[in-house]
Amino acid sequence: DGGITQSPKYLFRKEGQNVTLSCEQNLNHDAMYWYRQDPGQGLRLIYYSQIVNDFQKGDIAEGYSVSREKKESFPLTVTSAQKNPTAFYLCATHQGSNTGELFFGEGSRLTVL
Amino acid sequence: GENVEQHPSTLSVQEGDSAVIKCTYSDSASNYFPWYKQELGKGPQLIIDIRSNVGEKKDQRIAVTLNKTAKHFSLHITETQPEDSAVYFCAASKQGLTGGGNKLTFGTGTQLKVEL
Repeated sequence: DGGITQSPKYLFRKEGQNVTLSCEQNLNHDAMYWYRQDPGQGLRLIYYSQIVNDFQKGDIAEGYSVSREKKESFPLTVTSAQKNPTAFYLCATHQGSNTGELFFGEGSRLTVL
Repeated sequence: GENVEQHPSTLSVQEGDSAVIKCTYSDSASNYFPWYKQELGKGPQLIIDIRSNVGEKKDQRIAVTLNKTAKHFSLHITETQPEDSAVYFCAASKQGLTGGGNKLTFGTGTQLKVEL
């Protein structure tokens, strides 16, 4: 099946620990995105990548890091510098053509204990 | 940067009634306005979109209208059904423009509840 796979679906971590969220896609889409979702705040862009080996900061990049070594993969690391990391994280892809549609994964819920 | 405001934050309607969700945007260069539906525990899915060269678009029970002068756009759902219950997000972006990068700026979401 074509799609976007995010893992893990649920993750708990202690304060001070880094954690990496996985996002894999087999849609052959060029662009990939990470959004953070908090209640009442909609979706906010963390990082995005339009091509392999290149990525840009979004609106709330502080405390996060990414890499794009392969077209299929765009992992997000939530570092200990992120002051309020508990949230629902969504990965998305974009075909890169005239269509504007973003395709989303099912999300990863991170809880910091 | 772009700022998108969305109202109301919650909306409750009776089955069969219509629902309207409104959004305003700040950047007059934005030219693409999608609407996403998010069911509980899942990622958002595109339900309809409109580009700035069109004033209205309809797809069965769903329609979107755009007023470029006033910089606002709305989602209209007619004959609502229980399965329409979800969170709806509007968004805006500058597609195909330098620096746009297809980045979507989302509204804060509307929790729609369709009651039997």
